[in-house]
Amino acid sequence: SSELTQDPAVSVALGQTVRITCQGDSLRRYYASWYQQKPGQAPVLVIYGKNNRPSGIPDRFSGSRSGNTASLTITGAQAEDEADYYCNSRDSSGNHRVFGGGTKLTVL
Amino acid sequence: QITLKESGPTLVKPTQTLTLTCTFSGFSLSTSGVGVGWIRQPPGKALEWLTLIYWDDDKRYSPSLKSRLTITKDTSKNQVVLTMTNMDPVDTATYYCAHFSSGLIDDAFDIWGQGTMVTVSS
Repeated sequence: SSELTQDPAVSVALGQTVRITCQGDSLRRYYASWYQQKPGQAPVLVIYGKNNRPSGIPDRFSGSRSGNTASLTITGAQAEDEADYYCNSRDSSGNHRVFGGGTKLTVL
Repeated sequence: QITLKESGPTLVKPTQTLTLTCTFSGFSLSTSGVGVGWIRQPPGKALEWLTLIYWDDDKRYSPSLKSRLTITKDTSKNQVVLTMTNMDPVDTATYYCAHFSSGLIDDAFDIWGQGTMVTVSS
């Protein structure tokens, strides 16, 4: 079992806002990073740190943290945002990395 | 431009040792704050972090796989090598290496290789 918990699936209407969450005790101390993975492709980093986007990632992607929960928000979801999303952070010991179980986002 | 590419066997037999090489360019693994990690993904399943090696040769392993994993780096060749012993069919997965940026308060696997599929079967 993962130390980071994600909802298996989330759906959003085209153009609406969706929040994907990641829960874990280690998130009280450490930030999460978020990865988008489309079928047959390698993951791509979309958010890291407090709320940082790598170059080339649209500004409709944002990140936040509250207590033991990290969130990835997509404001105005597009069809191309349909993908699996994974969070990653340190584990509760702080010494190792761990991924969440992933959330499949469907854009309706 | 940072790139990474995994290489190694596509098929291994149960009980054998898997050796994968990550060859990278565009950065040096002797630069402070830099690391290279390995992550795998069984077909249709989630990402699983395996191991990470830092610029200062600090190494971290997944607690559940630690006894089977070894990670090493060759800075002069720009390569990181992963070995996994006693392979089992459940280890069938796509194996990714990724560049890791470690900051004071934030860090991430910011660039990934394309991945290499490894099947464990007799």
